[in-house]
Amino acid sequence: AQSVSQHNHHVILSEAASLELGCNYSYGGTVNLFWYVQYPGQHLQLLLKYFSGDPLVKGIKGFEAEFIKSKFSFNLRKPSVQWSDTAEYFCAVNARSNYQLIWGAGTKLIIKP
Amino acid sequence: EPEVTQTPSHQVTQMGQEVILRCVPISNHLYFYWYRQILGQKVEFLVSFYNNEISEKSEIFDDQFSVERPDGSNFTLKIRSTKLEDSAMYFCASSPRLAFTGELFFGEGSRLTVL
Repeated sequence: AQSVSQHNHHVILSEAASLELGCNYSYGGTVNLFWYVQYPGQHLQLLLKYFSGDPLVKGIKGFEAEFIKSKFSFNLRKPSVQWSDTAEYFCAVNARSNYQLIWGAGTKLIIKP
Repeated sequence: EPEVTQTPSHQVTQMGQEVILRCVPISNHLYFYWYRQILGQKVEFLVSFYNNEISEKSEIFDDQFSVERPDGSNFTLKIRSTKLEDSAMYFCASSPRLAFTGELFFGEGSRLTVL
């Protein structure tokens, strides 16, 4: 069965620190990969996605993620975080054969001002 | 900017009662979904809906659950006889494309508390 693992459940950083959130998935076939973000009191929204092509994808608000096929990973990065990045971040995977998104458990990110 | 809207934002119900959660997807979207997140757990897929029928459902989506698009704008999730373990945040989502791309637009969620 497909699964998605996010290694850190809680991350606390100071403003201007660099961020990397890990995401690994288990599925042998072709996948689409996503990061969603949920700001406090708001709905889930798409941060970035990878379907094919350049494995380094750039999303909104300065976030990027790199797909490393050999490691089944899709880690999220941001070189310098801001207080407004405080949110919960979800990695999700869709096998191209079906409609479902399989979700990681989420990482709560807290940025100290 | 168009958005998916869900009502109610929070519903408290007694075990065994029927609950209907409502969603208004973005108007030109074709695919509709329900996901849920039990507190402290992962977001889980429930069901997808296209062309007025269920296109895929998970093991969670048993006979107690049903979905409907009654009037061309609303998309509802009904739980026939709620159980304690149905307490969760239920997210509705829609997407515009014929081929599933995973770019889902989510509502803010409906929190269901079953007592």
